[in-house]
Amino acid sequence: KNEVEQSPQNLTAQEGEFITINCSYSVGISALHWLQQHPGGGIVSLFMLSSGKKKHGRLIATINIQEKHSSLHITASHPRDSAVYICAATEFGNEKLTFGTGTRLTIIP
Amino acid sequence: DAGVIQSPRHEVTEMGQEVTLRCKPISGHNSLFWYRQTMMRGLELLIYFNNNVPIDDSGMPEDRFSAKMPNASFSTLKIQPSEPRDSAVYFCASSLGLIVSSYNEQFFGPGTRLTVL
Repeated sequence: KNEVEQSPQNLTAQEGEFITINCSYSVGISALHWLQQHPGGGIVSLFMLSSGKKKHGRLIATINIQEKHSSLHITASHPRDSAVYICAATEFGNEKLTFGTGTRLTIIP
Repeated sequence: DAGVIQSPRHEVTEMGQEVTLRCKPISGHNSLFWYRQTMMRGLELLIYFNNNVPIDDSGMPEDRFSAKMPNASFSTLKIQPSEPRDSAVYFCASSLGLIVSSYNEQFFGPGTRLTVL
């Protein structure tokens, strides 16, 4: 059974700071997903990656397959980035997502 | 596209009552997922379908829970009888799922907040 762990659980930062959220998993995966859950509860898929790096606007996701580790970075953070960020993994041949516990990010103006 | 549609958005019921949650996936998507989110356990998969066939139901808690997908555009999750510990937010998601592959982005519905008194 895959175990997905995130750190930190909570993160508070000032507007403009560079943010890093970490995710590690215990068994080989075929894809790592980063999700964002807004205070209203909706869940949005940010990234899905199996190797290397992806970038979308101020968000960057990286994955190191050998180390079983992924990071989500936010550059020039803004209060609207305040949300819960969740990483999740899928194993080969299966679409089942195993979720981390989430990181609650709060950006202070 | 309207995205994944769930109904109702909120449901309050009394212990012992039957509860039915509904989901309409994105048109053209072949995989549908039911998730439950609680403070204690976070997000967890209950069951998922591909081409209307249940693929993995290992997360269904017990016999009180059942899920059906009678056609490509509709799924239900039923709890009978409901208990207070079933109180949670239930999310439905869908993906293209052209094959049962793990490399498919999932699109989430807005969720149904269930409260069992």
